[in-house]
Amino acid sequence: QVQLVQSGAELKKPGASVKVSCKASGYTFTNYYIHWVRQAPGQGLEWMGLINPRGGSTSYAQTLQARVSMTRDTSTSTVYMELNSLRSEDTAIYYCARDLHQLPQTETFDIWGQGTMVTVSS
Amino acid sequence: QSALTQPASVSGSPGQSITISCTGTSSDLGNYNLVSWYQQHPGTAPRLMIYEGYKRPSGVSNRFSGSKSGNTASLTISGLQAEDEADYHCCSYAGSFTWVFGGGTKLTVL
Repeated sequence: QVQLVQSGAELKKPGASVKVSCKASGYTFTNYYIHWVRQAPGQGLEWMGLINPRGGSTSYAQTLQARVSMTRDTSTSTVYMELNSLRSEDTAIYYCARDLHQLPQTETFDIWGQGTMVTVSS
Repeated sequence: QSALTQPASVSGSPGQSITISCTGTSSDLGNYNLVSWYQQHPGTAPRLMIYEGYKRPSGVSNRFSGSKSGNTASLTISGLQAEDEADYHCCSYAGSFTWVFGGGTKLTVL
């Protein structure tokens, strides 16, 4: 079945970087955009950015553009999200989510990963 | 990009109908027919319930319906059931390959 499986929880110190992986299976990896969404404890969802697995092009939320990077490895059907210069406010659950429609269309988030808890604390 | 505005909480009794609003601007929600709604139970990932403002993915009950007027979208749940108790998040395309979410609404079934 179609699924996205993310890497495990991370504990990082302020100023460090974190890299979260999202492995896709059950569909053609290069046919759908992957988005990243995060959720701070007790808060709403925040869209972080997306990556086109076919060509690797990306788009990021303006508030994170300077610190976030999304890449993909087509040989393993895996997408990565790296966030730099971590601060306590980055403590959140990070989700990857596949788009509902096939490329070139991108619209909404259909299949979600299980989430990865990233805790930033000294 | 400012978040869309949702009420923090709504409540209703079993069998009743409730509506959750989601207000944006003419640059995001009002400019595109690409509003989606997500249901999230505690400790789980969000689930897509409505897309393109009113369409339901396969498997979503027809008790869930969506609409949009101007800069405001709405999610209506009819025939409330205990299992509907969850957080609901709206989201809109905001142009230039960016998206914006609302702050989320906690639905309590009394």
